[in-house]
Amino acid sequence: DGGITQSPKYLFRKEGQNVTLSCEQNLNHDAMYWYRQDPGQGLRLIYYSQIVNDFQKGDIAEGYSVSREKKESFPLTVTSAQKNPTAFYLCASSTPAGNTEAFFGQGTRLTVV
Amino acid sequence: EDKVVQSPLSLVVHEGDTVTLNCSYEVTNFRSLLWYKQEKKAPTFLFMLTSSGIEKKSGRLSSILDKKELFSILNITATQTGDSAVYLCAALYGGATNKLIFGTGTLLAVQP
Repeated sequence: DGGITQSPKYLFRKEGQNVTLSCEQNLNHDAMYWYRQDPGQGLRLIYYSQIVNDFQKGDIAEGYSVSREKKESFPLTVTSAQKNPTAFYLCASSTPAGNTEAFFGQGTRLTVV
Repeated sequence: EDKVVQSPLSLVVHEGDTVTLNCSYEVTNFRSLLWYKQEKKAPTFLFMLTSSGIEKKSGRLSSILDKKELFSILNITATQTGDSAVYLCAALYGGATNKLIFGTGTLLAVQP
């Protein structure tokens, strides 16, 4: 079955550590997105990518980094520079033309301890 | 600044009521507007609207887009407790690189 997979579901990190969240899709989508969701908030765009080896900053990119070495994969690294990293992270993918909806993974809940 | 604004932020109704959720957008090179329902984790897709004035329906839910007024509404008739969720609106827009941004969502609580 085609879909988008995020791992892990839950992640705990000590302050000062970098951590990488995985996002893999087998939908053959070119576009992929990372969002952050805080309690009671909507989704805020961190980074997005329309094609392999290219990505753009979203509205809250500071303290995050991404790579897009393969079409299927768009990992997000939360660096120690991110001041308030505890949140729910969602990855999505879509066709770049936007003629279908964006599909979401099940999310990763990151907690800094 | 590109933005998507939803209202109200939260809403409490009783089963059987009809609700209307609002979404306005200001983006460059608009392509489409999407509605999602989020209950626990991943948002689930409801509607994608590209053309003005064409209502999309799915059971008790319907939605319409007004590209002149940069506005969309999501209607839910005969609400049920299972409709309780956060409803998210998103705009897909952009030129060479498409961007998908979301509003803050409307939290709907349906009481029995």
